[in-house]
Amino acid sequence: DTAVSQTPKYLVTQMGNDKSIKCEQNLGHDTMYWYKQDSKKFLKIMFSYNNKELIINETVPNRFSPKSPDKAHLNLHINSLELGDSAVYFCASSQGGAMFEQFFGPGTRLTVL
Amino acid sequence: QQPVQSPQAVILREGEDAVINCSSSKALYSVHWYRQKHGEAPVFLMILLKGGEQKGHEKISASFNEKKQQSSLYLTASQLSYSGTYFCGLGAGSARQLTFGSGTQLTVLP
Repeated sequence: DTAVSQTPKYLVTQMGNDKSIKCEQNLGHDTMYWYKQDSKKFLKIMFSYNNKELIINETVPNRFSPKSPDKAHLNLHINSLELGDSAVYFCASSQGGAMFEQFFGPGTRLTVL
Repeated sequence: QQPVQSPQAVILREGEDAVINCSSSKALYSVHWYRQKHGEAPVFLMILLKGGEQKGHEKISASFNEKKQQSSLYLTASQLSYSGTYFCGLGAGSARQLTFGSGTQLTVLP
């Protein structure tokens, strides 16, 4: 009965590859997010999305793209991976937008070699 | 703009109190507090809305000073389970996203 789940938990890949991280929430929430947490633990919002609106943090490279097949899923696609993309990526969800409690997934540790 | 948290790190003994501050250079609408234990996901603690409200449950409470553009998190009689990194997140009036601070690492020793 996991609320927000992510796969895979660990992802090790070579520079230049394309990879995806999947996220699913079973809470019935209308808004989902992707965060990047770097080695210094800085938690940075990348995207927020509900079925009406995608908001992209302006500092996110366009190599990153969220894709939502339905309300319960928000996957993250990354093209042409770079060393600096190594981080932990968290998916989260909330009901009613960012002003409400966000539930985080367990995280995906991405290592780019 | 990213909020500034202080201190960056604090070490306590069980039973001691701690205060974590979160300051913004912009007017605050809401402040969100989360705790992240090592190797885990952030977990929600509380939200404070514009209006100087103070919230809390058990021994963790927070205040919101709109004038100073600052929020403080108070941990009273700390327990070992309080150890982790505490993040404040700021929401502007029309925000669709939160901007998190760099975190305060709290370690409670027996």
